[in-house]
Amino acid sequence: EVQLVERGGGLIQPGGSLRLSCAPSGFIVSGHSVSWLRQTPGKGLEWVSIIYPGGGTTYADSVKGRFTISKDNSKNMVYLQMNNVRAEDTAMYYCARAPHGFDVWGQGTMVTVSS
Amino acid sequence: EIVLTQSPATLSLSPGQRATLSCRASQSVSSYLAWYQQKPGQAPRLLIYDASNRASGIPARFSGSGSGTDFTLTISSLEPEDFAVYYCQQRSNSYTFGQGTKLEIK
Repeated sequence: EVQLVERGGGLIQPGGSLRLSCAPSGFIVSGHSVSWLRQTPGKGLEWVSIIYPGGGTTYADSVKGRFTISKDNSKNMVYLQMNNVRAEDTAMYYCARAPHGFDVWGQGTMVTVSS
Repeated sequence: EIVLTQSPATLSLSPGQRATLSCRASQSVSSYLAWYQQKPGQAPRLLIYDASNRASGIPARFSGSGSGTDFTLTISSLEPEDFAVYYCQQRSNSYTFGQGTKLEIK
């Protein structure tokens, strides 16, 4: 069965750092694009970043320069390093496989930015 | 940024009825449009990709159409499990989502 499991969410103070992890099963990250997305009741669904099979990356303007997506092919893991977080980064964060649209999603991990 | 506008915001129908949901893009996205279903407490589920292709395991009562700026998701005969929030999403220029249509039981 193809699935994704996110971990690493929690409560963090503004300006702090957090690393989220995404563990795929049923497919290998070296052969697929994987994205991070987030969702809030107010702003809805928002795409955050994507990493391609060859390692290339793209970011939403809202996180560019603060967040870094990476992967470890040997561990079959994808990560999202979140630095200098802001209150508006508070959201449920999902990772998803991205062939043509996001066809497999994890269950999400909640990130709350608050002092 | 390409803005996707979904209508209506809420659609009240009964099981067995036909549902028609609309998504309009602020500029052409060609056929690079997907539809998702989301139920409370769950992640979105891909229904349709590239405007008209059903994702794996999606029932035939779900169909998508359109190209350019105007798209439609049709559910031919509503089942009780179809009542949820539906989102459209484009991948023509970066990735953006519509604000959602809530399909509720009448």
